[in-house]
This record gives sequence, structure tokens and C-alpha cells, in this order.
Amino acid sequence: AQKVTQAQTEISVVEKEDVTLDCVYETRDTTYYLFWYKQPPSGELVFLIRRNSFDEQNEISGRYSWNFQKSTSSFNFTITASQVVDSAVYFCALIGGYSTLTFGKGTMLLVSP
Amino acid sequence: ETGVTQSPTHLIKTRGQQVTLRCSSQSGHNTVSWYQQALGQGPQFIFQYYREEENGRGNFPPRFSGLQFPNYSSELNVNALELDDSALYLCASSLMRGGRVDTQYFGPGTRLTVL
Repeated sequence: AQKVTQAQTEISVVEKEDVTLDCVYETRDTTYYLFWYKQPPSGELVFLIRRNSFDEQNEISGRYSWNFQKSTSSFNFTITASQVVDSAVYFCALIGGYSTLTFGKGTMLLVSP
Repeated sequence: ETGVTQSPTHLIKTRGQQVTLRCSSQSGHNTVSWYQQALGQGPQFIFQYYREEENGRGNFPPRFSGLQFPNYSSELNVNALELDDSALYLCASSLMRGGRVDTQYFGPGTRLTVL
């Protein structure tokens, strides 16, 4: 069975602070894919990044960066210099051998001015 | 490139009624997945359709059913609505190649309220 754990239910920061969202996963599959999605108040899930299990390189995209570590089964997401527009619920998700997404419960990020 | 669209945006029904939700997949995609997201929770997988056939199902009762059409659009039908069916229903489209699904792109969702 697959499982994704996002231990942080809610995080509040002040604009320009850096913030890291944690994600820990469980899977028996040797090949799998990890994702992060953003869900603003409008409700639509917005795709941010996809990582496959063979690629442990960290990735940076603008203010966003992702740290994938197979040894600890973690796929953490860092926002640098947070902005009010970053306020949303962020979901970590996993696809293993069976092609369906398993989501974590999400972390609500509140960025105040 | 057209994104994933869903209709209606909002829907209010009463217990026992039936509802049909619709989803148009992104152009070039052949797979549609449906998810239920209760308030404060992550999306839960309902089922997936590939080439008009169900390609996997989550832990949902048979009163949740679906269809996929030749143009890859899809419907989710829920019979005998219960109060607990109140949720945001999300449709995601993707491209399946070699038996593996690529990144899933989501529509804006349909918010269903059952009274």
C-alpha cells in the first residue's frame, strides 16, 4: 500500500520568510513518481513538480526548490522569500506501480503581509 | 491547448437523488481520473478511465459509476446521494503510455452539496 504523510497541518509565516513543507512517503514499488500540487482557495489543483524515483537531483524553479531523498523517503518543498500569493494548501502525492495518485492530507500555508 | 474543464461548478441536491458530473479532458490526453475531496482532506481516488474502460477503482461503493466517451471526456454518476457525498469532485486528465500514466492535470472541480 502507498502512503503519503504531510505532518504539518498549517504553517503561518510573514512575507519574505523562507518556508519548508515536509513530505514523507511509503511505497513498495521500486519505480514511482512524486508530485507537489498547489490548491488555492479557488479549489483547482495546480501541478508544480514531478520527480521519478531514479532522479534524486534537487530542483530549483524560481523561488521554489525541492529536496528528494530516497534514504529517508522524503520529498520536501521549500519556498524562498514567500509572498502572499503563495498562500494555499499544498499537497504531496505519489504514483507507484498502480497508476493512481495517493495524496497526503495537505499543508495549509498562510503568508501574511 | 485547452485545459481540463468541469461542469457544473456548484450543485445542490437532496438525499436519495442522483447526480451527473462532467469533465472534458485536456487535448492529447487519453485518461481521466476522478477524485473526491472532503473538506480539509486530500483528494481520494474514485476511479480511472482509459480508452472508455474503467482502469482502476478506489474504495467507493457501486453507486459511484462513470463513463468515458470516444473524445475522452467523462462523466461521474452518483446514485442515492448521501449527506457524506458532499465534497469537491475533481477530474484529472493525463496521457497513458506504455501502461504508465503521466502527470495528471486537474480541472477546477465541482462542489456538490447534499442536503
